Amino acid sequence: QVQLVESGGGVVQPGRSLRLSCAASGFTFSSFGMHWVRQAPGKGLEWVAVISFSFMGSFEYYSDSVKGRFTISRDNSKSTLYLQMDNLRVEDTAVYYCVKESNAFDVWGQGTMVTVSS
Amino acid sequence: QAGLTQPPSVSKGLRQTATVTCTGNSNNVGDQGAAWLQQHQGHPPKLLSYRNNNRPSGISERLSASRSGNTASLTITGLQPEDEADYYCSAWDSRLNVWVFGGGTKLTVL
Repeated sequence: QVQLVESGGGVVQPGRSLRLSCAASGFTFSSFGMHWVRQAPGKGLEWVAVISFSFMGSFEYYSDSVKGRFTISRDNSKSTLYLQMDNLRVEDTAVYYCVKESNAFDVWGQGTMVTVSS
Repeated sequence: QAGLTQPPSVSKGLRQTATVTCTGNSNNVGDQGAAWLQQHQGHPPKLLSYRNNNRPSGISERLSASRSGNTASLTITGLQPEDEADYYCSAWDSRLNVWVFGGGTKLTVL
């Protein structure tokens, strides 16, 4: 059974950092691209970042709203995806979902809530 | 990064047919096609279709997707109460190298 479990969310002050983790199971983690997608309270979905790979190696892409502040990474030996979030802003407040990519966003975790507030 | 355009809401009666549209441009919907997701209140989204009309296993045949130019559409026939949810389209933008989402459409089954 394919499963994604996020952790690491919480309440943090503006300008501080937080690292999210996503533990994957039930599939060969190293063979798939992985995303972070967020959803602010009462709002729609917003894509955050992807870490994928090709024959040339792994690559990462970010949305403009987080570029330079967030870093996506993975540890294939631990089947774990990470999101390092630095210089957090109030507008980063959202549920953060870890998502497996196989034909678009085919498996989602339950999400972890991040609240940025002073 | 401009997102994809969806109507905020669609309302149809029980057993009727609803269509949700999603408009992008030639770099996203018009190039790679769109994926559709369904989200019920308090739950994570669920993939309904990808690259226009490919359904993952377990997705009802009452749902079908299509694309015409830069506009993708999701059609749900024989509406049931459980179809009431938020629907999102998404596509890879090959010029910007980002994924973009539509703003979401709230489907109400009357």
